[in-house]
Amino acid sequence: AQSVAQPEDQVNVAEGNPLTVKCTYSVSGNPYLFWYVQYPNRGLQFLLKYITGDNLVKGSYGFEAEFNKSQTSFHLKKPSALVSDSALYFCAVSSPTDSWGKFQFGAGTQVVVTP
Amino acid sequence: DTAVSQTPKYLVTQMGNDKSIKCEQNLGHDTMYWYKQDSKKFLKIMFSYNNKELIINETVPNRFSPKSPDKAHLNLHINSLELGDSAVYFCASSPGIDTGELFFGEGSRLTVL
Repeated sequence: AQSVAQPEDQVNVAEGNPLTVKCTYSVSGNPYLFWYVQYPNRGLQFLLKYITGDNLVKGSYGFEAEFNKSQTSFHLKKPSALVSDSALYFCAVSSPTDSWGKFQFGAGTQVVVTP
Repeated sequence: DTAVSQTPKYLVTQMGNDKSIKCEQNLGHDTMYWYKQDSKKFLKIMFSYNNKELIINETVPNRFSPKSPDKAHLNLHINSLELGDSAVYFCASSPGIDTGELFFGEGSRLTVL
């Protein structure tokens, strides 16, 4: 069965500093990996995904993530955080060989960016 | 135009009642989902339909019954509501079962008193 771990409940960062949100996964077979962001009282919005190809993927709002197969990680990064990046971030995994179609979400990481 | 729309956005009801949540997507997607987000923000898949066919049915009480009249609509009916059903229910769609990201609706917050 597939699973996702987001080890930090909350990440605090000052505006302008780099932001990293951690995610590790477990699947049998090749993973499809995703990051979503949720603002208060809103639905989840897609940020970026890794399916295949370059391990570094770039997404919306200046976010990027690096797929690391050996460490089974897919950490989300942003070089310079904005106050408006404060939100709940979810990592998700899916796999064509493990529970196909079931996007398994992590527990979420609350990002707080202070001015 | 809203891509994935859910109604109602808020629903407050008494235990034992029956209620429905409707979802429509105008993206032309083949696959639709229902997710439940609990008070700790944990997201759990409930159901998925692909071209009106049920393809994922997680361990959900049979009081929950999805229905897809066509591939643009996926409704969720809940019978005999319980306190533990209080949550935010999200509808989502994707181009297909094997193609990428989910597009979420804004959620329907159900409160059972």
